[in-house]
Amino acid sequence: QVQLQESGPGLVKPSETLSLTCTVSGGSIKNYYWSWIRQPAGKGLECIGRIYSNGSPNYNPSLKSRVTMSVDTSKNQFSLKLTSVTAADTAVYYCARLKVGEDWFDPWGQGTLVTVSS
Amino acid sequence: QSVLTQPPSVSGAPGQRVTISCTGSSSNIGAGHDVHWYQQLPGTAPKLLIYGNNNRPSGVPDRFSGSKSGTSASLAITGLQAEDETDYYCQSYDSNVSNWVFGGGTKLTVL
Repeated sequence: QVQLQESGPGLVKPSETLSLTCTVSGGSIKNYYWSWIRQPAGKGLECIGRIYSNGSPNYNPSLKSRVTMSVDTSKNQFSLKLTSVTAADTAVYYCARLKVGEDWFDPWGQGTLVTVSS
Repeated sequence: QSVLTQPPSVSGAPGQRVTISCTGSSSNIGAGHDVHWYQQLPGTAPKLLIYGNNNRPSGVPDRFSGSKSGTSASLAITGLQAEDETDYYCQSYDSNVSNWVFGGGTKLTVL
């Protein structure tokens, strides 16, 4: 059974770069799409984008200028970088899997809270 | 403001049936993109509840069902139980914004 686990700093200063990693266990990262989704406290869900295991990304157009995703198949990990963060980027960040040819997210990681504050 | 519109809250008594609507547009649900539903218990990640409009993953009780028509979709829950009291989100793909989009979420209260 595939499991996902997010990791990274829980506190990032304004204007700096948010960096998170998602480790995939119980299965291969290859031949799937991998996504980042975030949820501000008490609010809804926003898809940040997805990346295929070969490194080909698709980003949310509203965040595209600040987002970079990457994949490390040797470590079964994928990563998110979000630059020039502000308080509006404070949220729980989830990683999740998308199968090829499907557009629902399953499974999800447990999520990690990232707070943007000085 | 979410691309998909859900009622902020719905309620029902134990044993009753409730439905949660998800209204989209011609660029998402109306364009033929499938609708999926997630259940999110407090402090936990969303869990896939319905995929492909009306399919249940293994382990999801048949009290949960989904439907889609035109630019809208619905999640129905029959035989309401106290454990069903939580948040529910719909999700689809939107061709205009070229991204996967979610509803704003609906909080279900079991009276």
